[in-house]
Amino acid sequence: DTEVTQTPKHLVMGMTNKKSLKCEQHMGHRAMYWYKQKAKKPPELMFVYSYEKLSINESVPSRFSPECPNSSLLNLHLHALQPEDSALYLCASSQADGVQPQHFGDGTRLSIL
Amino acid sequence: QKEVEQNSGPLSVPEGAIASLNCTYSDRVSQSFFWYRQYSGKSPELIMSIYSNGDKEDGRFTAQLNKASQYVSLLIRDSQPSDSATYLCAVNSRDSGTYKYIFGTGTRLKVLA
Repeated sequence: DTEVTQTPKHLVMGMTNKKSLKCEQHMGHRAMYWYKQKAKKPPELMFVYSYEKLSINESVPSRFSPECPNSSLLNLHLHALQPEDSALYLCASSQADGVQPQHFGDGTRLSIL
Repeated sequence: QKEVEQNSGPLSVPEGAIASLNCTYSDRVSQSFFWYRQYSGKSPELIMSIYSNGDKEDGRFTAQLNKASQYVSLLIRDSQPSDSATYLCAVNSRDSGTYKYIFGTGTRLKVLA
């Protein structure tokens, strides 16, 4: 069992829908990450939160909106997505010291109709 | 542009053999190096962390780091069919005061029974 919990595990949505992905960790980690992963490709970094502040945005389209309500929670709000946004969305967390590894959740499999 | 390079494979080895996976990186100041295993459709699972030059062993896995050559490797002894997966090399890199992973493209390993 992973210590980073992501919900939902699967999500199917239309291009006009609004939905949110959720991520939770209780390891006391102060850095949290969102990744997008397409088949047969490595995870692609989207956002990094460090001490609840957005510190890296890898030029992600505004239809993806991250939120970090507290040190344990990370959300990714989705609106007006495109079919090419269908992918596995991974959340990870780590200490913010740049030394310790990231721990990944099981991911949310997102399909855009 | 900071890069991490891996041979995409597939690397095929017979059951019981040693599998050798290699990774080179470009950022000379990187201090933390990680190997993840990812089964198809699943999230990355941490296998090994290594921070100092030399070898680090954990069960059937040995990570090797050579910072002078900017090279990190993973050896899997007594390979099993269950080791068949994609192995991702990740290097921690500093970006605007925040640490993030630079991932290699992954090496697909096939262990033949």
